[in-house]
Amino acid sequence: SQKIEQNSEALNIQEGKTATLTCNYTNYSPAYLQWYRQDPGRGPVFLLLIRENEKEKRKERLKVTFDTTLKQSLFHITASQPADSATYLCALQGVLNKFYFGSGTKLNVKP
Amino acid sequence: ETGVTQTPRHLVMGMTNKKSLKCEQHLGHNAMYWYKQSAKKPLELMFVYSLEERVENNSVPSRFSPECPNSSHLFLHLHTLQPEDSALYLCASSQDPTSKGDEQYFGPGTRLTVT
Repeated sequence: SQKIEQNSEALNIQEGKTATLTCNYTNYSPAYLQWYRQDPGRGPVFLLLIRENEKEKRKERLKVTFDTTLKQSLFHITASQPADSATYLCALQGVLNKFYFGSGTKLNVKP
Repeated sequence: ETGVTQTPRHLVMGMTNKKSLKCEQHLGHNAMYWYKQSAKKPLELMFVYSLEERVENNSVPSRFSPECPNSSHLFLHLHTLQPEDSALYLCASSQDPTSKGDEQYFGPGTRLTVT
């Protein structure tokens, strides 16, 4: 089965800086990878999807990269704001209907 | 609001009780999922229903019993649970699980405590 690793330690950064979160996976390379945001007491919310043939994907202040050689995805938030503070999860889809999530990295953006 | 609702939001039950969790999606999606989220652990996929048929049962103990009466509703029936079953139970839906890149829409979850 697929194993996904995200940095379990919280990432603390200053407002205005760029936050970079890492997602590493083992075994096979998925056709695509997703990133979700989860706030306390709430379910995850879909943010971005990147396909294996895409090196980079952007959406407003968010940028995701996907390196199938390194088996790694990086998630960047530029010009970070305190409202960006949350836990960010990466997810892969394996064979039909089987989704694998990382345990998430908590981001704290300090004013 | 994601279009997926769950009730109750919080539930405390004893090990001998029987209770049910309810999920409803208003998005017209074809697939629904149950996940378990424990502290510091990844989301664990429990069950998947596609067009009201169960297509995935991820080695979940029989004390958890899902039911999908139609494409908009999903239940998780609980009986004789153990304290280690205490967790956040999340319901999700997606348009087409057979397509790659199918994003999931999650409900707010039910925080379950087994005493």
